[in-house]
Amino acid sequence: QQQVKQSPQSLIVQKGGISIINCAYENTAFDYFPWYQQFPGKGPALLIAIRPDVSEKKEGRFTISFNKSAKQFSLHIMDSQPGDSATYFCAASDSGTYKYIFGTGTRLKVLA
Amino acid sequence: KAGVTQTPRYLIKTRGQQVTLSCSPISGHRSVSWYQQTPGQGLQFLFEYFSETQRNKGNFPGRFSGRQFSNSRSEMNVSTLELGDSALYLCASSLTPVVPDTQYFGPGTRLTVL
Repeated sequence: QQQVKQSPQSLIVQKGGISIINCAYENTAFDYFPWYQQFPGKGPALLIAIRPDVSEKKEGRFTISFNKSAKQFSLHIMDSQPGDSATYFCAASDSGTYKYIFGTGTRLKVLA
Repeated sequence: KAGVTQTPRYLIKTRGQQVTLSCSPISGHRSVSWYQQTPGQGLQFLFEYFSETQRNKGNFPGRFSGRQFSNSRSEMNVSTLELGDSALYLCASSLTPVVPDTQYFGPGTRLTVL
């Protein structure tokens, strides 16, 4: 029940295309869903996050879509650029525990 | 403001040895969390400290332990190393231990167990 399932494992997108990464969770106590971006040799960095009281959040080219009833959320990267090539992790947390559960990551490659 | 620093960046140990990793959080941050990152497993939560107290622990054996000092710096220790302990160990700090306070990750310590 503590798992967060992330797909796909890897993704190749053409420059200018849309990258979509999906995550699913089971624990209904989760109430905070961040996405992290990690470049080689660096630690993950917070990209964008959402609470379950909204269905969508957009920041620049990055959008989180959230489906509470399906217990799924996804990251959309519009107009994908080669500089977006990185590993992306979804995560979920229960505010009461301050314990983040991470997905297994998606390696994105954007072709120039 | 300096980011989260972790030392050492790379370590090579042999089975049965023990290792201590260090994390210095961003100045003013009082919550420190540790994660183990391996290919295919993603990031797995080890433990979280706030004000020198361990408040949360993940599903790792007792060989994994940690502590936090009064200046918020943290160390984690792994005793009796096993080959499967080879991983990137990440430390993250946040101002408070309250979600959704942003976690800032360090670059990690790459541990290789031979």
